[in-house]
Amino acid sequence: ILNVEQSPQSLHVQEGDSTNFTCSFPSSNFYALHWYRWETAKSPEALFVMTLNGDEKKKGRISATLNTKEGYSYLYIKGSQPEDSATYLCASMYDGLTFGKGTHLIIQP
Amino acid sequence: DGGITQSPKYLFRKEGQNVTLSCEQNLNHDAMYWYRQDPGQGLRLIYYSQIVNDFQKGDIAEGYSVSREKKESFPLTVTSAQKNPTAFYLCASSIGSGVSDEQYFGPGTRLTVT
Repeated sequence: ILNVEQSPQSLHVQEGDSTNFTCSFPSSNFYALHWYRWETAKSPEALFVMTLNGDEKKKGRISATLNTKEGYSYLYIKGSQPEDSATYLCASMYDGLTFGKGTHLIIQP
Repeated sequence: DGGITQSPKYLFRKEGQNVTLSCEQNLNHDAMYWYRQDPGQGLRLIYYSQIVNDFQKGDIAEGYSVSREKKESFPLTVTSAQKNPTAFYLCASSIGSGVSDEQYFGPGTRLTVT
């Protein structure tokens, strides 16, 4: 079983500020790294799927980077808005997806 | 409207009883998955199916069983052998089982066994 770690566990950010958090995964036997956003009372939704070292993906104010050699990915949110409040999950694909525990982000108005 | 449905949203059972959780998708996806979430833990894979009439154990399959007789349906049975069945269960599907295939999740079923 892979060990996927996310930090911090929770984060309070002022509206308008930018923030980032980390996902660490084993760099050996890497296939893909998935990011999902899980809002309260909703289902998790895919944000990004990344496979190549150095890859950077962007969706609106949210972007992610991937370093497969050292085994980490960063998720960035620029100019946080209240609707960004959610739990952000990363998962490493090996034999199925192995998820981290998530980063719970709260945007304070 | 395409998506994944899970029913019921809340389920209560007595200890010792088997219970089946429903998962249906109309996305025409080949692959389907069952995850379990416990407080303070990440999602853990119970079973997955890459194609009809085929399924594989995930990381925590003991005490669970599944079937995949139809492409759109992947029911999960929580048997009396599952020692800690109380949890939140999520079903997901993906177009295929490739490493880059993002998963689409249902709303989940919260199972409480007393």
